[in-house]
Amino acid sequence: AQSVTQPDIHITVSEGASLELRCNYSYGATPYLFWYVQSPGQGLQLLLKYFSGDTLVQGIKGFEAEFKRSQSSFNLRKPSVHWSDAAEYFCAVGPKIQGAQKLVFGQGTRLTINP
Amino acid sequence: KAGVTQTPRYLIKTRGQQVTLSCSPISGHRSVSWYQQTPGQGLQFLFEYFSETQRNKGNFPGRFSGRQFSNSRSEMNVSTLELGDSALYLCASASDGYYEQYFGPGTRLTVT
Repeated sequence: AQSVTQPDIHITVSEGASLELRCNYSYGATPYLFWYVQSPGQGLQLLLKYFSGDTLVQGIKGFEAEFKRSQSSFNLRKPSVHWSDAAEYFCAVGPKIQGAQKLVFGQGTRLTINP
Repeated sequence: KAGVTQTPRYLIKTRGQQVTLSCSPISGHRSVSWYQQTPGQGLQFLFEYFSETQRNKGNFPGRFSGRQFSNSRSEMNVSTLELGDSALYLCASASDGYYEQYFGPGTRLTVT
């Protein structure tokens, strides 16, 4: 079965510190990979995506993610977090099949920023 | 371009009633997907419509249904509401040939 695991339910970091959010997936083949962010009471905003090619992808708001096929991981990183980064982050996967628009999400990681 | 819009934003219904939620995709997007978000189950895929046809379906009971109109706007209907249907319902749209899904703000449904 397809699944996405985000091992950390809640992470707290200090403002200005670096951040890494973990994501592991179980899938039949390498899927499309995404990170979304959700602020309280809001929908999901796409941070970045990996389809193919360079395994280090850059996204919006200074985020980046690295795809590691051998570890079935797609971890999200940011060198220096800002208070506005406090939100919930979701890793998602989708099949590389034209017309199969169906994302499977992890349970999310809630990020708290200490001033 | 305007983003994905969902109406209403908040809804309170009584158990046994039915409800219809609406989603207007980004202009030019023909794919509309629906997701349910709850604290216990997280984000789960309901179904996806493309050019007025249901193209993908998740594992939800038949009480959950949807449709898409010729202008790509989509509605989702839940009949015989149960307490467990209380959730944030998110709609997402995507352009044909592209996989990125863009989400709306959601409709918060509370069933009492």
